[in-house]
Amino acid sequence: QVQLQESGPGLVKPSETLSLTCTVSGGSINTYYWSWVRQPPGKGLEWIGYIYDSGTTNYNPSLKSRVLISVDTSKKQFSLRLGSVTAADTAVYYCARTYWLGGGILIDYWGQGTLVAVSS
Amino acid sequence: DIQMTQSPSSLSASVGDRVTITCRASQSISSYLNWFQQKPGKAPKLLIYAASSLQSGVPSRFSGSGSGTDFTLTISSLQPEDFAAYYCQQSYTPPITFGQGTRLEIK
Repeated sequence: QVQLQESGPGLVKPSETLSLTCTVSGGSINTYYWSWVRQPPGKGLEWIGYIYDSGTTNYNPSLKSRVLISVDTSKKQFSLRLGSVTAADTAVYYCARTYWLGGGILIDYWGQGTLVAVSS
Repeated sequence: DIQMTQSPSSLSASVGDRVTITCRASQSISSYLNWFQQKPGKAPKLLIYAASSLQSGVPSRFSGSGSGTDFTLTISSLQPEDFAAYYCQQSYTPPITFGQGTRLEIK
């Protein structure tokens, strides 16, 4: 059973950089895409971007100028950096396994999520 | 970006009811539509992929249909554990986008 676990600070100051890491266990990190998705309190889901094991990335245009997703296959980890954060970036951040199936993008396994608050 | 619009935004129903949630895409996405269930404080759970395929382990009372721009999620007989939020998600092309969600509440 694939498991994902997010880790990182729960509080970030405005204008600073949010950094999170997701550790994958119970399965391979290779041949899959790995996504970050966030959910502001009481609101809907927003896809941030994904990375392939080779390092190829695809970001949501709405966040592209501030986002960097990286992967370390030897550690079975991938990471999110989101720069110049504001209160609007306060959300639960999820990491998730992603793959292409029959031409469509599938997100099947998710981490439990971690709440990151942006506040001084 | 492809915009996904769900209706209704919230819905009250009773155990045993048949419930339908609708999702509309801003352009044709063929059958590249997934449905998720989310309970409070939990991560989303994949229910249906490719518009009508049931994810392994999901009860058969859940079903999906549609293609092009219009899709539905149906729960044939609501169970107490089904009261949750439901999201559609287009899987046709990045950026991946979700509907705004439908909150299913107990009447």
